[in-house]
Amino acid sequence: AQKITQTQPGMFVQEKEAVTLDCTYDTSDQSYGLFWYKQPSSGEMIFLIYQGSYDEQNATEGRYSLNFQKARKSANLVISASQLGDSAMYFCAMREGQFDTNAGKSTFGDGTTLTVKP
Amino acid sequence: EAQVTQNPRYLITVTGKKLTVTCSQNMNHEYMSWYRQDPGLGLRQIYYSMNVEVTDKGDVPEGYKVSRKEKRNFPLILESPSPNQTSLYFCASSPTSGRMDTQYFGPGTRLTVL
Repeated sequence: AQKITQTQPGMFVQEKEAVTLDCTYDTSDQSYGLFWYKQPSSGEMIFLIYQGSYDEQNATEGRYSLNFQKARKSANLVISASQLGDSAMYFCAMREGQFDTNAGKSTFGDGTTLTVKP
Repeated sequence: EAQVTQNPRYLITVTGKKLTVTCSQNMNHEYMSWYRQDPGLGLRQIYYSMNVEVTDKGDVPEGYKVSRKEKRNFPLILESPSPNQTSLYFCASSPTSGRMDTQYFGPGTRLTVL
C-alpha cells in the first residue's frame, strides 16, 4: 500500500529565507510520481512541482525545488526566498504507474501548514 | 478556460436526505477522482474512475456512490448522509491515471450534515 508521511504539522519561516518541508513515502513499486500541492486559505489546490521515480535530476520550478532521495524514500520541498504569499498548507502526494497494482490510486500526506513571518 | 467545476459549493443538509454533488471537467480527461479533506487527515480518496463506465473504490468509499456515464461528468452521491460525512470534498481530473499526470482540482464543496 502507498503511504505518505509529512511529519511537520506546522512550520514558521522568516520572509526571504528558505524553508524545507519534509515528505517521506512508502511504496513497493518502482514506477511512481511525487507531487506537491499548495492550498492557501481560500481553499483551492494548486499544483507546484512533480518528480518522477526515474528522474535523475531534482525537479525545480521557479522558487520551488524538490530534494529527491530515492534510497531514503524522501521528497522534500524546498521553497527559496519565502514570501508572505507562501503562507498556506502544503501537501505531498504520490501516484503509481497506470499499469501498476495501485493504478488509479492517489495518496496524500496530512499536510504542513507554513506561516511566513514578515 | 480549462477547469473542473463542482456544484454546489456549499451545502447544509440533514441526516438521511439523499444528495448529489456534481463534478464536470472540460479537458477531455480520462481520469477523475473524488477526495474528502478533514482537519489533520489530508485528502483521502473516496472513488476514482480511469475511464467512462470504469469506477473503483479509494480508501474511504463507505457511504458514497459514483457513476461515470460520460467522460466529462463524475457525480458523487450520498444516499443517506450522516454527520460523519461533514467534510470538504474535492473533485479532480487528469489526462490519464499515469504517474506523471498532475491532477486538476475543482474549487471544493463544503458539506455539513446535521
